[in-house]
Order: sequence, then structure tokens, then C-alpha cells
Amino acid sequence: GQQVMQIPQYQHVQEGEDFTTYCNSSTTLSNIQWYKQRPGGHPVFLIQLVKSGEVKKQKRLTFQFGEAKKNSSLHITATQTTDVGTYFCAGPRGTSYGKLTFGQGTILTVHP
Amino acid sequence: NAGVTQTPKFQVLKTGQSMTLQCAQDMNHEYMSWYRQDPGMGLRLIHYSVGAGITDQGEVPNGYNVSRSTTEDFPLRLLSAAPSQTSVYFCASRAGTGLTDTQYFGPGTRLTVL
Repeated sequence: GQQVMQIPQYQHVQEGEDFTTYCNSSTTLSNIQWYKQRPGGHPVFLIQLVKSGEVKKQKRLTFQFGEAKKNSSLHITATQTTDVGTYFCAGPRGTSYGKLTFGQGTILTVHP
Repeated sequence: NAGVTQTPKFQVLKTGQSMTLQCAQDMNHEYMSWYRQDPGMGLRLIHYSVGAGITDQGEVPNGYNVSRSTTEDFPLRLLSAAPSQTSVYFCASRAGTGLTDTQYFGPGTRLTVL
């Protein structure tokens, strides 16, 4: 079945350092989404990428979708303590847009 | 708009007990889903609905039942709770608008089965 792998599982950074998490799918994706979950909270949608090679930015966050539409990355520049949480990528299962397969998530800790 | 609401927030069950986790959304979304979250495993899809009266299985459906009698509500039933069902359960909804896949998650139910 479809698998979505995410690395690293954990990342500890000092405030001000950059952070990147990578997502790889076993199958080509029609789109990929990124979510953030704060400790004790629920996942919150960040962004959706649809086009091959697409790059989107949200302030200090940069999202990329690979040319083959099987991988993606999230890069945070100059991390802040407010960036703490778990970042998940997710892709649709087959052609069913509403069914998502999530990566295992990357837990980001930012030390002040 | 309250968005997606879930009750209860916390629940402790004994092995073999049954219970229903409630989920409701007030956004008139067609699609609703149930996920469970376990450490190191991300979120795994349990059951899914594309509208009232229509449900489908996800990755890990065993031990769970769902029904969708209205657009707003999508309860998840645990038939006979087992310790392996100790987890955090999230309900999510999404408008049925093709490629727009934004899912809105509820606050979660933290379930412990003893």
C-alpha cells in the first residue's frame, strides 16, 4: 500500500538555526499537504502543494514539491520558540482526495 | 462557527467495554474522517465518510464502527475496547471541492483502555 515516510523523526535546534523536514511517498501524489501540531493540540493545516516543482513561502517557512511529485520538504529559516511542535506531511490515498496518508511527523524542539 | 467538536476530551475504559466517541461539524462539509494518533506513527485513518449514509474503511478499521445519518455528525463506536485501542482520536472534516483538500481537525479524544 501507499507509504509516506518522513525524516528526521526528531530535531533539536537552537533558536535562530534553520530546520528542514523531508517527506517521501512510495507513489506519485496528486498533491501534498503540510500540517503543524502544537504539543497537546490538534493538527492544523499549513499549506497544500499541487504542481510538480512547486515552491511556496509563508513568512519564514518554505515548502517544496518535487519534480516527480513523490517528495516534499518544509524548511524553516531562523527558528523561533513558537515553531515548536510536530510537522506532518500528508498525501491523498489513491484517487480519493479526502483520504489522507500521513507521514510519521517530525518533532521540532527549539531551545532558547 | 464552532468548527469540528469532539466529546469527550478524555475517557478511561476497561477492556471489553463499549463506547461512542462523538464528532460534529457545523461547516456543512461532505467529507468526515476518523484518525488515531500513536507515538511515532503519525495519524492513521480509521473510517471515512463522503456524505450522509456513505462510509468507507481506512487503514485500521478493525474494532471500530461508524455511521453517518446526518451531514453534521460522525460518531465512532468502539465495540469491545482493547488496550491496543489506547490512543488519541481525531475527527476531521473537509469540504468536497475536488483538489481542495484542507482538513479541519477537532481537538481530539484521549482514550485509555485498561
